[in-house]
Amino acid sequence: DQQVKQNSPSLSVQEGRISILNCDYTNSMFDYFLWYKKYPAEGPTFLISISSIKDKNEDGRFTVFLNKSAKHLSLHIVPSQPGDSAVYFCAASVEDSGGSNYKLTFGKGTLLTVNP
Amino acid sequence: NAGVTQTPKFQVLKTGQSMTLQCAQDMNHNSMYWYRQDPGMGLRLIYYSASEGTTDKGEVPNGYNVSRLNKREFSLRLESAAPSQTSVYFCASKVIRGSRYTFGSGTRLTVV
Repeated sequence: DQQVKQNSPSLSVQEGRISILNCDYTNSMFDYFLWYKKYPAEGPTFLISISSIKDKNEDGRFTVFLNKSAKHLSLHIVPSQPGDSAVYFCAASVEDSGGSNYKLTFGKGTLLTVNP
Repeated sequence: NAGVTQTPKFQVLKTGQSMTLQCAQDMNHNSMYWYRQDPGMGLRLIYYSASEGTTDKGEVPNGYNVSRLNKREFSLRLESAAPSQTSVYFCASKVIRGSRYTFGSGTRLTVV
């Protein structure tokens, strides 16, 4: 059972336009959500996160929106740049009963291509 | 540079061979993780160590063993490699509370 779903394997946008990457989740216990960016032959790097008590978090060109009722989050990149071309992973975590570990569950990723 | 270091970066094994993937972090993180990435499958958790001295199974532990050697090091062992274990393996670490992982650059393993 896939708890974090990224239904779009790929997305192509023009430089300067908005990129919107979507993510759905099924586990209502998730309380923290993250986006990671991955270039080929490199490890994923943290991009932006949002707590379940918020509905928006912004960091420069990147904004993450959370709709808990719909169990949906999205990443907006404005304006998109060619250097943003990468695989973007959505991830979610739930605190275990001991409160000491947050295991991340990842989606399958979306390949974003920003064309000059 | 501070971070997570994985060795080796590339490895080719024959079916049935064994090997150990090494991971070390110098950020004084408590928790460490091993993930595998396969095309169309995203990142799947193999094993993790919430703190030194503890290890637990993740989503896909079969065929693997781990050792948390000390706070810095967390190794992943394949006792008898199978072609299904061909993948890119990522090690990650983080502090106790919070979900922000730091990943290594990965080990690309091919089992023939």
